[in-house]
Amino acid sequence: SYELTQPPSVSVSPGQTARITCSADALPKQYAYWYQQKPGQAPVLVIYKDSERPSGIPERFSGSSSGTTVTLTISGVQAEDEADYYCQSADSSGTRVFGGGTKLTVL
Amino acid sequence: QLQLQESGPGLVKPSETLSLTCTVSGGSISSSSYYWGWIRQPPGKGLEWIGSIYYSGSTYYNPSLKSRVTISVDTSKNQFSLKLSSVTAADTAVYYCARDRTQLALRTNWFDPWGQGTLVTVSS
Repeated sequence: SYELTQPPSVSVSPGQTARITCSADALPKQYAYWYQQKPGQAPVLVIYKDSERPSGIPERFSGSSSGTTVTLTISGVQAEDEADYYCQSADSSGTRVFGGGTKLTVL
Repeated sequence: QLQLQESGPGLVKPSETLSLTCTVSGGSISSSSYYWGWIRQPPGKGLEWIGSIYYSGSTYYNPSLKSRVTISVDTSKNQFSLKLSSVTAADTAVYYCARDRTQLALRTNWFDPWGQGTLVTVSS
């Protein structure tokens, strides 16, 4: 089965850059998507198709892809960015898969 | 603005069937290019996709849950529903419904927007 691996946690100080990775276990890598989830809230899409940003999402959120790894980058991290972040993709059979999630802590 | 709202019992007994409905407002469930999905999240854990359905009734299911899951759609009510049979405590979770934007030619999809979620507890 297709699996996506994320680090359990990432910590950064305000104003620094946070990078969260998501590694796929197989090729070809499909497009990946990123969701932000704050406590008690539903997930919100912040990056689609590896690097596209939906309207309303701050420019400090960006995405990139290299090989089988995608990366969510948050530049100039703010306290409000503290949340859980999940990557998501789908395999060739249409099975949707989520990564295990990464807790971003703003120190 | 598209909105989704989950509804259904918050408590289900072990071995029984969990039933939830998602009502879509602000848009038609019969729109092309959109599937409609169910995702769950056990307390303190990550997200797990359950399955997705197109307005025509075409479905994709998570292989790990497929034997217990049925997702259906009612276009007249702009709703889609989830049934999960033979539940156990491991099925206790917040259940979300979401629009599943699917591009079959690219074999890709994403979920946006999401409903607020509803907690379902499996307990006697």
